[in-house]
Amino acid sequence: DAKTTQPPSMDCAEGRAANLPCNHSTISGNEYVYWYRQIHSQGPQYIIHGLKNNETNEMASLIITEDRKSSTLILPHATLRDTAVYYCIVRVAGDYKLSFGAGTTVTVRA
Amino acid sequence: EAEVAQSPRYKITEKSQAVAFWCDPISGHATLYWYRQILGQGPELLVQFQDESVVDDSQLPKDRFSAERLKGVDSTLKIQPAELGDSAMYLCASSLQGGPFGEQYFGPGTRLTVT
Repeated sequence: DAKTTQPPSMDCAEGRAANLPCNHSTISGNEYVYWYRQIHSQGPQYIIHGLKNNETNEMASLIITEDRKSSTLILPHATLRDTAVYYCIVRVAGDYKLSFGAGTTVTVRA
Repeated sequence: EAEVAQSPRYKITEKSQAVAFWCDPISGHATLYWYRQILGQGPELLVQFQDESVVDDSQLPKDRFSAERLKGVDSTLKIQPAELGDSAMYLCASSLQGGPFGEQYFGPGTRLTVT
């Protein structure tokens, strides 16, 4: 019972912004949106999370729509090292579990 | 930067043999997780520890899998006997706290191949 829907794959040009969509139309008021990524042969890496406000850190920006039914992860200047599987996860406040789906395979091309 | 350590990185074993994986979490992290990741899928939680106690092992196949964290620091995940379907990446993660802001830090994983 996936709580999020992501495109299976997308390509991005190096140096350009990469916009990764995620649909979470059944999200509840106490659920956060988390993003992790997994570079080939490594463990997942935390990127960012948010509740309803847009968030930005040194890695990415997270834009959450006003109705919270979808969000977009933005990698402002994609590099070849950003090639990875990106997971969008909805997580209830107080719940330790990370329920990973299949994610989006992002390939950054030179 | 502190990291979660796992060993071995790769393991090949024959079915019906026993196999064990080791994880050393980031110092001070009380919560430790073991995940299994089948090729092409996202990681799936097997077991969670809070200090030395198991908090959730509902997805752990207890007839053949066991996990322990005796002193609340490092942990071992064992499979006995291994089956062909156990071939996967086994990931360990740790967090400072188990709540929603307890960001999980993952190790590099152990890739298991059962022949």
